[in-house]
Amino acid sequence: SQQGEEDPQALSIQEGENATMNCSYKTSINNLQWYRQNSGRGLVHLILIRSNEREKHSGRLRVTLDTSKKSSSLLITASRAADTASYFCATAHLTMIKAAGNKLTFGGGTRVLVKP
Amino acid sequence: ETGVTQTPRHLVMGMTNKKSLKCEQHLGHNAMYWYKQSAKKPLELMFVYSLEERVENNSVPSRFSPECPNSSHLFLHLHTLQPEDSALYLCASSQDWRLIAGYTFGSGTRLTVV
Repeated sequence: SQQGEEDPQALSIQEGENATMNCSYKTSINNLQWYRQNSGRGLVHLILIRSNEREKHSGRLRVTLDTSKKSSSLLITASRAADTASYFCATAHLTMIKAAGNKLTFGGGTRVLVKP
Repeated sequence: ETGVTQTPRHLVMGMTNKKSLKCEQHLGHNAMYWYKQSAKKPLELMFVYSLEERVENNSVPSRFSPECPNSSHLFLHLHTLQPEDSALYLCASSQDWRLIAGYTFGSGTRLTVV
């Protein structure tokens, strides 16, 4: 299965602290993506890291990818109450050069609570 | 607004009803998706459309019937649903099927089957 598994399932921190969550997957990927979901809403794309990249930054977000360990981490620095949400990793695996079989598969997510 | 609009936001339907969920995007994307999000379960991919052609049906029961009349619109027709079909149904679109960029999601339709 391509499914990513996030760890921890839930995380509670104080505003200003850093939040780190991890994602593990089982087979080779073309890229890995992180999404945020506020309660009961749609997912918002945060960042994409390709399989030949090791680290990527976007604002207060830092993503790492270790393809040898089949794992990724998302770090949110200087967290804010507005960062309270569920965070999902999704793995992209292209099986062939046509649409069928190419899927973005999501993990179960990490629920992050940032307390003011 | 993300550029992907889903209607209705909430829907309560009986098991004998027929209803449809609508998704619309004007981002110029060529691929559209239906996902199901149930409590305590990962997002489940239901259907994939690329250039209006269905390219993936992820073993979804026939009581769910997708329709993609053009690259901007996607429907999910529902009939004789079961209570376990209650979930958040999410529509997403992407530039194309190559997964080289992120998906844009709508806000979802919260479906309750009674």
